[in-house]
Amino acid sequence: GNSVTQMEGPVTLSEEAFLTINCTYTATGYPSLFWYVQYPGEGLQLLLKATKADDKGSNKGFEATYRKETTSFHLEKGSVQVSDSAVYFCALAHSGNTPLVFGKGTRLSVIA
Amino acid sequence: GAVVSQHPSWVICKSGTSVKIECRSLDFQATTMFWYRQFPKQSLMLMATSNEGSKATYEQGVEKDKFLINHASLTLSTLTVTSAHPEDSSFYICSARPESGANVLTFGAGSRLTVL
Repeated sequence: GNSVTQMEGPVTLSEEAFLTINCTYTATGYPSLFWYVQYPGEGLQLLLKATKADDKGSNKGFEATYRKETTSFHLEKGSVQVSDSAVYFCALAHSGNTPLVFGKGTRLSVIA
Repeated sequence: GAVVSQHPSWVICKSGTSVKIECRSLDFQATTMFWYRQFPKQSLMLMATSNEGSKATYEQGVEKDKFLINHASLTLSTLTVTSAHPEDSSFYICSARPESGANVLTFGAGSRLTVL
């Protein structure tokens, strides 16, 4: 079946540090890949996505590249800010009206 | 952009009572909505797929009689937690896919249920 594995947190970084949150997936065919972010007390928001191999999704300084050969979609940001503190979820979905399959989430805390 | 609204955002109830949570797509029609439950330590569990005009499809291990889902219109799905118990306390999140969404799901802000 389909599954998503992401690095366990919590991750604590100083402001302006480099961020990597690893995500790997298991799926049949060619799923679309997503990163969602959940700020404290809120629902999930789409951060970025990629729909095919070698696509790079980017938004708000975050980026992730769909690597089919390593079945990965690692999230990176060159310089994190305190406002980036949140829980980040990696997810996949196939085409059609199918639900997302989520990783367990990684909590990021950025300290000034 | 596509917006999904949930209500209430926060509810406290006594054990044994029932609670209804509404999920509305505000600016698009959604033939399918998804209900997730978020447990402590963050993990999201898909509970069921809500289909407009037909029965919901429940994931394995989710009690159909306890978590009643009704999708009566193209913009509204409801989740009713019946005879709630403290172990049902959780964060419930609905989501829907705008037709133009290219697999992107839009999520509601979530409803936090606390059962005393």
